[in-house]
Amino acid sequence: DSGVTQTPKHLITATGQRVTLRCSPRSGDLSVYWYQQSLDQGLQFLIQYYNGEERAKGNILERFSAQQFPDLHSELNLSSLELGDSALYFCASSRGGELYEQYFGPGTRLTVT
Amino acid sequence: AQSVTQPDIHITVSEGASLELRCNYSYGATPYLFWYVQSPGQGLQLLLKYFSGDTLVQGIKGFEAEFKRSQSSFNLRKPSVHWSDAAEYFCAVGEGNQGGKLIFGQGTELSVKP
Repeated sequence: DSGVTQTPKHLITATGQRVTLRCSPRSGDLSVYWYQQSLDQGLQFLIQYYNGEERAKGNILERFSAQQFPDLHSELNLSSLELGDSALYFCASSRGGELYEQYFGPGTRLTVT
Repeated sequence: AQSVTQPDIHITVSEGASLELRCNYSYGATPYLFWYVQSPGQGLQLLLKYFSGDTLVQGIKGFEAEFKRSQSSFNLRKPSVHWSDAAEYFCAVGEGNQGGKLIFGQGTELSVKP
């Protein structure tokens, strides 16, 4: 158990819908990262927040957005969902804002039908 | 741009045999390198990391990795594989000066024969 929690574990929704994925980092960690894992793209970095501020951005679609709240939990919002958004979404956390080891949550499996 | 290549998509080894998983990276400066393991239906677990210093790093579960700058490699090794090591292994490189972003290789799936 990494100490990172993600909810829900599974999500099934229809195209065009909007969903919110939630992540709670390990106690004491200030950074939260979001990654997408799919068969065709592999593991792709989406975005990082450090102490409430966006710190780094990857190939995150405009339909996707994230935020980190004062209690340091984070939410990833996915809207206008397409079939191709079906993937495993991981949250990770680390102590600082730069390159520290990241601890991953169990993931949320999103299926868009 | 940084990249990570894991040349072997799938490897099968016998239980008790030694293991080496290959990882090559492309990065201009000193890289921050990681190996993670993912068991089916699980998240990623950090095995080991290299930031600087001794080029041979020890990790959990009996794994080690060696950083070779001249070969741009960071291969993962284990002297004797156990059936419980069957999983997918990911090599990753961190981008300096851009937060904690990690770039992952495509992964190597390890199967262990009894």
